[in-house]
Amino acid sequence: AQSVTQLGSHVSVSEGALVLLRCNYSSSVPPYLFWYVQYPNQGLQLLLKYTTGATLVKGINGFEAEFKKSETSFHLTKPSAHMSDAAEYFCAVTSTGGFKTIFGAGTRLFVKA
Amino acid sequence: KAGVTQTPRYLIKTRGQQVTLSCSPISGHRSVSWYQQTPGQGLQFLFEYFSETQRNKGNFPGRFSGRQFSNSRSEMNVSTLELGDSALYLCASSFTRGDTQYFGPGTRLTVL
Repeated sequence: AQSVTQLGSHVSVSEGALVLLRCNYSSSVPPYLFWYVQYPNQGLQLLLKYTTGATLVKGINGFEAEFKKSETSFHLTKPSAHMSDAAEYFCAVTSTGGFKTIFGAGTRLFVKA
Repeated sequence: KAGVTQTPRYLIKTRGQQVTLSCSPISGHRSVSWYQQTPGQGLQFLFEYFSETQRNKGNFPGRFSGRQFSNSRSEMNVSTLELGDSALYLCASSFTRGDTQYFGPGTRLTVL
């Protein structure tokens, strides 16, 4: 069975500081991995995805994530936080077998001025 | 290209009533999935439809049902509403199964 664990339900950083949001997964088959962002009262917006190939994936708004198979991790980073990055971030795993997508519990990012 | 649209955006119902939510996927997308989002349970998968057939189902009671039409539009229905059904219901479409999902803005359902 698949599962997704996001470490830290809340993360607070200062504007200009590094953003690191952690995601670990378990899957019996090679998964597809995603990061989504959700702003208040809106749906989810895709930040980036990993399917195959290069393990460092670049997304929108300066975010990137690295797939580390040995660590079963897919952590999201951004070198310099901006106030507009304050939102909730979700890591998701899609099984390449049954195509079922499981989401992590989410991490709310706060950015301090 | 227009995004995923969901109607209505907001709904208020009372216990025991039923409700139907609608989702229009991105043009050309054939897979539609539904999710329930609540503060306590997070994002939970309801079901996935592809080519008018339910392909996956989450762990929800039979009061939750859905369907997909030949134009890929989808509806979900919740019968005999309970207070705990209050949630944001999100629809996502993808070109095919397992492909990147694009989400609509959601329908906020409040059950009184």
